[in-house]
Amino acid sequence: QVHLEQSGAEVKEPGTSLKVSCKASGYTLTSYSISWVRQAPGQGLEWMGRIGAYTAITKYAQKFQDRVTMNRDASTNTAYMELRSLTSDDAAVYYCARHVSGIYFGDWFDPWGQGTLVIVSS
Amino acid sequence: QSVLTQPPSVSGAPGQRVTISCTGSSSNIGAGSDVHWYQQLPGTAPKLLLYGNNNRPSGIPDRFSGSKSGTSASLAITGLQAEDEADYYCQSYDSSLSGSMVFGGGTKLTVL
Repeated sequence: QVHLEQSGAEVKEPGTSLKVSCKASGYTLTSYSISWVRQAPGQGLEWMGRIGAYTAITKYAQKFQDRVTMNRDASTNTAYMELRSLTSDDAAVYYCARHVSGIYFGDWFDPWGQGTLVIVSS
Repeated sequence: QSVLTQPPSVSGAPGQRVTISCTGSSSNIGAGSDVHWYQQLPGTAPKLLLYGNNNRPSGIPDRFSGSKSGTSASLAITGLQAEDEADYYCQSYDSSLSGSMVFGGGTKLTVL
């Protein structure tokens, strides 16, 4: 079955960078886009951006445009999200999700990875 | 502030019916963008509950249903069960934010 396995929890210092991996199984990564969503403690879900299927074209949310990079390695069926210049506001659980683009029903996320907890502290 | 507005909390007794609203605007739901719903049990990742306003993925019971009208959408849960206690999020597409996916702020469902 389709499954997304993310890298483990991380503790980062302010000003440094974060890189989270998301390994897909049960399907070919390049057949679907991958979106990244984060959830700050006790807060809701926030979409960060996506890396497209086939061409790997990226689209980032305006809020993260200047400091996020999403890419993938087709040979290992793994997607990556890098976030730079971390601050305490970036402390959150980061999720990858398969981004399904339906012809009739818009775009949704299914399934989701288990999440990667990121703590930002000096 | 979330682009889509949901009530922070709703509650109901076992067996009852509850609804959760999701209010958007003319740049997302009102523009015809479809609405999708997710269930997040405590300490777990979100799970797709409904896609395309009212379509259930395999394994989702028919106690869950959705609707959309104008700039709003709703999730209805009938025959409420203790295991339904979770956070629920709506999601859609917004054309005003250079084309972004947007979420509601989430609704905590408490089963009394």
